[in-house]
Amino acid sequence: AQKVTQAQTEISVVEKEDVTLDCVYETRDTTYYLFWYKQPPSGELVFLIRRNSFDEQNEISGRYSWNFQKSTSSFNFTITASQVVDSAVYFCALSDNYGQNFVFGPGTRLSVLP
Amino acid sequence: EPEVTQTPSHQVTQMGQEVILRCVPISNHLYFYWYRQILGQKVEFLVSFYNNEISEKSEIFDDQFSVERPDGSNFTLKIRSTKLEDSAMYFCASSEMGGLGNTGELFFGEGSRLTVL
Repeated sequence: AQKVTQAQTEISVVEKEDVTLDCVYETRDTTYYLFWYKQPPSGELVFLIRRNSFDEQNEISGRYSWNFQKSTSSFNFTITASQVVDSAVYFCALSDNYGQNFVFGPGTRLSVLP
Repeated sequence: EPEVTQTPSHQVTQMGQEVILRCVPISNHLYFYWYRQILGQKVEFLVSFYNNEISEKSEIFDDQFSVERPDGSNFTLKIRSTKLEDSAMYFCASSEMGGLGNTGELFFGEGSRLTVL
């Protein structure tokens, strides 16, 4: 069965600090996809990134970066120089090859304090 | 930019009433989904729908729930007889295609908050 663990329930940082959100996944599939979504206080789900299991290149997008380590089944998310607007719940998710069977992690609530 | 739209944004209903939540997926998408998020908890998969039939469903998606695509554009979730524990945010999502080479990106609507009294 597929499973996503986000061990950090809540994190608080002060603005401009870097913060890393951990995600560990379990799957028996050889082809799968990993995602991060942001859920701001307004409640909607905002897509951040998708990574397939064959692409272990790390990715950087502005202040966001992702570290995919297949050997440890982890897909961690780092926000550099955090801002108050980054305050949200962040969900890591895993899907099978067909884009179905999406499993979300429990989420990490990030609070960035001014 | 194309988006998934959901109506209503918030519905309050009495226990035992039927509720229909509506979604308009992105027009060229073929896979449709409903998810549920009880307040403060994680997002849970309910059901996926492709080619006019359910392709996967979770244990949560019992006989009280049904989905349909009545007119080729709307994708609806019906709860036949609501219970207090059905109070949650319901998210609709769509994706372009499945299989190898799919984009894999789920586009989510903004959610419909259901409050059952």
